[in-house]
Amino acid sequence: GAVVSQHPSWVICKSGTSVKIECRSLDFQATTMFWYRQFPKQSLMLMATSNEGSKATYEQGVEKDKFLINHASLTLSTLTVTSAHPEDSSFYICSARETPPDKNIQYFGAGTRLSVL
Amino acid sequence: DQQVKQNSPSLSVQEGRISILNCDYTNSMFDYFLWYKKYPAEGPTFLISISSIKDKNEDGRFTVFLNKSAKHLSLHIVPSQPGDSAVYFCAASAATDSWGKLQFGAGTQVVVTP
Repeated sequence: GAVVSQHPSWVICKSGTSVKIECRSLDFQATTMFWYRQFPKQSLMLMATSNEGSKATYEQGVEKDKFLINHASLTLSTLTVTSAHPEDSSFYICSARETPPDKNIQYFGAGTRLSVL
Repeated sequence: DQQVKQNSPSLSVQEGRISILNCDYTNSMFDYFLWYKKYPAEGPTFLISISSIKDKNEDGRFTVFLNKSAKHLSLHIVPSQPGDSAVYFCAASAATDSWGKLQFGAGTQVVVTP
């Protein structure tokens, strides 16, 4: 099956620093990748849609200057949380859709737990 | 507004019995529906999906039923096993969305007891 690798799985950083999270599709190409955020005991909240070779599309209320997304290749998208603050602490999950898409199935990474001190 | 709703936050079922998870949606443009399973601190795993042109799809122990007129779908797991204990998310997408964005429900925590 389609495998998505997300790294790191857990990161602790000081307030004011930036953190980069990588999302890779290992055995398929993904023109489109997605970044989600999940708060404890809540659903997945879509933050942005990452498109290879173009600017990401952000959902309403998500600060694009805060959450920088780069999708430089068909297998890699990165999310950088800039000047992180404690309220950015959360579980971030990426997903990828195959190119060409197999219906609208998204394959998810294992997630990144971000703790900002 | 929540376009995909899972009104049961939790479900407890005995091992070997059937688990039935429900999901309702409000957007009539949704034409593809998926179920994902998620363990704590892990990403969701795709389980099964169904297109709006069908009313049933089966894969092993998992069956998804779709009632378009009621805007309702359900996931049946039979027989339930201890490894099925997880959070299950219902998701939906619309053909009008070229990126294939998914709308997720709030999830149902399933606990399978011995």
